[in-house]
Amino acid sequence: QSVLTQPPSASGTPGQRVTISCSGSTSNIGRNTVNWYQQLPGTAPKVLIYDNNQRPSGVPDRFSGSKSGTSASLAISGLQSEDEADYYCAAWDDSLTGWVFGGGTKLTVL
Amino acid sequence: QVQLQQSGPGLVKPSQTLSLSCAISGDSVSSKSAAWSWIRQSPLRGLEWLGRTYYRSKWFNDYAVSVKSRITVSPDTSKNQFSLQLRSVTPEDTAVYYCARNLQVWGQGTLVTVSS
Repeated sequence: QSVLTQPPSASGTPGQRVTISCSGSTSNIGRNTVNWYQQLPGTAPKVLIYDNNQRPSGVPDRFSGSKSGTSASLAISGLQSEDEADYYCAAWDDSLTGWVFGGGTKLTVL
Repeated sequence: QVQLQQSGPGLVKPSQTLSLSCAISGDSVSSKSAAWSWIRQSPLRGLEWLGRTYYRSKWFNDYAVSVKSRITVSPDTSKNQFSLQLRSVTPEDTAVYYCARNLQVWGQGTLVTVSS
């Protein structure tokens, strides 16, 4: 059971906007920033968003992140077929003194 | 551009020690703005952070409670790399292991199978 809670699945059609939620607690998301990752089959996770809403260079601006209280969200606008992947959130947990992850959300592009 | 290259065996026998290395290019293991972590991923446990080492005028380590009694993450400044040692492994330690910088730059991953 993961410390951060994500929906196991999400879906959308090309061009749509989808959001993926990540719920935590005061010891992790409530006090620290959130990262979001995209993982394609057989590859390492790739950071899409760090520090709640910052995009590394090369990540399209279709991807955006936000945080409120003990929850965070990843939004993907203009959905494309290549966005079909697993998405994970992560944050530092002050009580556990370590990084914690969500269980992942499998995004299907219909 | 920071890149991480992992190396180490893909098969370890039960009760032995799992050892992996992560070579760093484009940064220094002694950087005061970086923390160097090991993470693993398995179908059973999902993504699991294991531990990290970082330098802030001296070396520090943090370890996950689940492996704290069995793990060592250590820097090698002469080779600009860091390593993972996980002792007394069991088949439950079978996973893909990743190294990462600030959990933003990740290595390519190494599948480690624990089996006799």
